[in-house]
Amino acid sequence: DTAVSQTPKYLVTQMGNDKSIKCEQNLGHDTMYWYKQDSKKFLKIMFSYNNKELIINETVPNRFSPKSPDKAHLNLHINSLELGDSAVYFCASSLTRLYGELFFGEGSRLTVL
Amino acid sequence: ILNVEQSPQSLHVQEGDSTNFTCSFPSSNFYALHWYRWETAKSPEALFVMTLNGDEKKKGRISATLNTKEGYSYLYIKGSQPEDSATYLCAQQNSGGSNYKLTFGKGTLLTVNP
Repeated sequence: DTAVSQTPKYLVTQMGNDKSIKCEQNLGHDTMYWYKQDSKKFLKIMFSYNNKELIINETVPNRFSPKSPDKAHLNLHINSLELGDSAVYFCASSLTRLYGELFFGEGSRLTVL
Repeated sequence: ILNVEQSPQSLHVQEGDSTNFTCSFPSSNFYALHWYRWETAKSPEALFVMTLNGDEKKKGRISATLNTKEGYSYLYIKGSQPEDSATYLCAQQNSGGSNYKLTFGKGTLLTVNP
């Protein structure tokens, strides 16, 4: 069983479309994250949820909207996709927001044409 | 230091060599320091989480030290093997703002030649 799973792994879409990436963790962790790996392979935090509550919201365009229906799921919806949104998006979870290493999903590679 | 910085950016060593690299981070509002190993086409995997000044942790041939007062951590690999080739990321968890955000460095890319 994959601990943190993301779908889809690959997503190719046109500019202007709306798309979602889903993430699920079966570790019983309280805290989940979305990270963006930029073109220089730098991992940058986008959002974090703790028990369904948004606790970190970095300077991300409001076209990006996270949703956490329960503490095991954190989805990322992106409206009006732009070329610059092309990246690999990683979901991760940790035991709590204070404690524990991050467990990462395999990443979702988004390509906007 | 305002950001998490890692050096060198990349490193090539021969199989059997021992090596080390550095992570520098802001010492104010320090909460924890994480090290991750990231192999190509995979996702990052945690190596160590350290919280106390002077902490030393070891896993097999890999070890790490932590100095929170001066804001640095070293990662050591003894007797490097080709399978150690990966990007090694450090990340500082900061208690400022009460959200305990984890900020990553840009990584050190290690290549071990057989």
